[in-house]
This record gives sequence, C-alpha cells and structure tokens, in this order.
Amino acid sequence: EPEVTQTPSHQVTQMGQEVILRCVPISNHLYFYWYRQILGQKVEFLVSFYNNEISEKSEIFDDQFSVERPDGSNFTLKIRSTKLEDSAMYFCASSERGLAETQYFGPGTRLLVL
Amino acid sequence: KQEVTQIPAALSVPEGENLVLNCSFTDSAIYNLQWFRQDPGKGLTSLLLIQSSQREQTSGRLNASLDKSSGRSTLYIAASQPGDSATYLCAVTGQAGTALIFGKGTTLSVSS
Repeated sequence: EPEVTQTPSHQVTQMGQEVILRCVPISNHLYFYWYRQILGQKVEFLVSFYNNEISEKSEIFDDQFSVERPDGSNFTLKIRSTKLEDSAMYFCASSERGLAETQYFGPGTRLLVL
Repeated sequence: KQEVTQIPAALSVPEGENLVLNCSFTDSAIYNLQWFRQDPGKGLTSLLLIQSSQREQTSGRLNASLDKSSGRSTLYIAASQPGDSATYLCAVTGQAGTALIFGKGTTLSVSS
C-alpha cells in the first residue's frame, strides 16, 4: 500500500542552524502539507502546497520556514535558523486532491534543537 | 477561529467493551471531519473521513457520526481490543481552506 515517507526520523541540531526535513508524498497525490506537534500539544497546521506554490499557511509559518518540491518526488521543509521552540515532531501529509480528500500522514521527523 | 475539543482526555476500559469518543468544534462551517489514530511516537493513521453532507461513516468496528449543526462528532468503537489502545484525534477542515484543525485527542487504554 502506498505511503508517505519522511527522512530523517530524528534530527538534532544547534540553535541557529538550518535544517531541511524531507518527505516523499504518495505518488499520484497533488496536495502536500506540513504539520508539527510539540510534545504534549495538539497537531498544528503549518502549510499546504499545490501546483508548485503555497496554497495556505498558518501564523506559525513565518519567514524562517520555506517549502519546496525540488523534483517530481520530494517535498521539503526548510527551517532557516532554528530556535529552541522549533523542537517538535514534524509530519508531512499528502492528499489526492484538496478539500474533499483524506490526508495521509508520514511517520514524522522528531526535531530537537539544542 | 475554529477550536476543536475532545472529551474525555483519557479513557480506560476492559476488553470487549463498546465505547464512544467525543469531538466538538466551535464553527459549524466545516468541509469535512477526519478521525485519526496515533500510536506513541508515531505518525497519524486515518480512520474515517466524514464529508459535511454525511451523517456517518463506518469501517469495521468503527462508526463515526457527524452533527454539523451542533458542532459534534462521535467515534464509536465496538468490542474494544487491547490493540485499540492509542490516542484518537479528531480534525476538521474549514470550508475556506485545506488545513486540518486538530483536537488534543483522547488516549484510550484497553486492558485484557
């Protein structure tokens, strides 16, 4: 069964460093998403991406964040200068189309900023 | 601003019991509602998706209902098993966008 994959599973970085989280969405899906979950808190929406551009973003997704689809399979989230409060589990998701469709989540990348 | 609340926060039941998890949302103008399962330290597994025009969806021992006008959904789990132990998340999509807005979840423990 097709699934969303994410790498790395864990990443430890120093405050101020740049990190890139990678995702491979399900191959025939057209919408891609990033969410995050700070330990003990709700899953929060960051950004959705369609047709090579951001379709929606939350207040969390500020200038420190960017997304890219560098090729036909990968979808990346870049955090330019990490802060302690960026420590969280980051989930990538994809859906075949947008509003009416189930979103399928990857296993997540646990990011720890020291 | 849409807020999603799930009650109870935690629930412990013996194996075989039928149970109901509750989800409420403040803005009834939703496009759909999705129930997920999350195992500790893992990703989210989609269980059921209910469109705003639907009243319920069923998958195996799971049945989810939606009452959009009152801002409520329930997830019914029949004949619970220890393997059902996990956190169950409810999330809604607003009509304007694609973002899922999540509740904090109900952590279910089923003892054998």
